[in-house]
Amino acid sequence: AQTVTQSQPEMSVQEAETVTLSCTYDTSESDYYLFWYKQPPSRQMILVIRQEAYKQQNATENRFSVNFQKAAKSFSLKISDSQLGDAAMYFCAYRSAIKAAGNKLTFGGGTRVLVKP
Amino acid sequence: EAGVAQSPRYKIIEKRQSVAFWCNPISGHATLYWYQQILGQGPKLLIQFQNNGVVDDSQLPKDRFSAERLKGVDSTLKIQPAKLEDSAVYLCASSLVVFGGARENEQFFGPGTRLTVL
Repeated sequence: AQTVTQSQPEMSVQEAETVTLSCTYDTSESDYYLFWYKQPPSRQMILVIRQEAYKQQNATENRFSVNFQKAAKSFSLKISDSQLGDAAMYFCAYRSAIKAAGNKLTFGGGTRVLVKP
Repeated sequence: EAGVAQSPRYKIIEKRQSVAFWCNPISGHATLYWYQQILGQGPKLLIQFQNNGVVDDSQLPKDRFSAERLKGVDSTLKIQPAKLEDSAVYLCASSLVVFGGARENEQFFGPGTRLTVL
């Protein structure tokens, strides 16, 4: 079974600065997808960014970018130019590309991001 | 496009009582998921439906939890009887297809139902 680990329970960042969230995962599969989700106090999970394991190029979405290290099974999220609205819980998630595995997401334990004005 | 709808948003019950949660997925989405999120943890999949059939219910505590998806649209998750450890947020999500590239089966989440069992 796959596992996802987020070792930072909480991270604090000054507004307009950059913060990096860590995520490691364990899998024996070669093809899979990785995601970062944001969960504000409203509880609704919002997809921030996705990465296909077969792609070497790191994904970017505006101020959000990832550092995907497949050999190290590491998938970190960088938030640049942090804004007050970025304050939330962030979850790293894994999904197998094997059809038999369905579409299940396996989540890490989350990292709370605090943004200081 | 309307998102995933869930109700109620909050529910407080006594242990051993019954409770039911309702989810209406995004129109046209074939797949529906129920996740349980215990405070301080990431969500855990309880059950996954494709249309009105079950794809994965391996982590559903079947002695007390049940779920159905009538006519392949709305879904109801029930707990009977509830235990203290069932206190959690129950998230519903839907995706267009069961399997495909990452974009085709992106999961869209509802706002969740926070259950407190006293």
